[in-house]
Amino acid sequence: GNSVTQMEGPVTLSEEAFLTINCTYTATGYPSLFWYVQYPGEGLQLLLKATKADDKGSNKGFEATYRKETTSFHLEKGSVQVSDSAVYFCAQNTGGFKTIFGAGTRLFVKA
Amino acid sequence: EAGVAQSPRYKIIEKRQSVAFWCNPISGHATLYWYQQILGQGPKLLIQFQNNGVVDDSQLPKDRFSAERLKGVDSTLKIQPAKLEDSAVYLCASSPAQGASGNTIYFGEGSWLTVV
Repeated sequence: GNSVTQMEGPVTLSEEAFLTINCTYTATGYPSLFWYVQYPGEGLQLLLKATKADDKGSNKGFEATYRKETTSFHLEKGSVQVSDSAVYFCAQNTGGFKTIFGAGTRLFVKA
Repeated sequence: EAGVAQSPRYKIIEKRQSVAFWCNPISGHATLYWYQQILGQGPKLLIQFQNNGVVDDSQLPKDRFSAERLKGVDSTLKIQPAKLEDSAVYLCASSPAQGASGNTIYFGEGSWLTVV
């Protein structure tokens, strides 16, 4: 069945470090891919998305490229800030009924 | 634009008691979702409505969970009787329509349930 696998956390970085959070998926068909972020005490919100192969989603300095050949959608940011501390969820939807989420990766950024 | 509203934000109940959560989606959103998020895990879909019809409730424990969306707007999720393993955050979410895989889902802040 369809699934999403993302790297386990927590990930702890110093401010201005480079961030990568890995995400791979299995799907029948060609899903849309998403990164959602959950800040402390808040609900999930969309960070970025890509709807077809080779698309790059970007927002707030974060980027992720839809790689069909490796079934991946890794999240990157060149220079993290303390305010980026949150839980990041990778997700997919193939246009059916379900958006499937990964388990989440908690990021801590130290000043 | 007002977001997805949920209440109550926090609830503590004893096992075998009942609890109900309420959700008001973003105005005009046809699709409404209830997710369960256990600590350390990603959200798991419990039930999805399109207008006031159920389109997916395959992971809803129907012996104890029920949900309704009367008039295709707000929704209530009920648990009766609650078990310890029901302790989780219950997330309500909405989106403009189903079928389009690129649709963004908009989440409420969640209702935190602790069963003791």
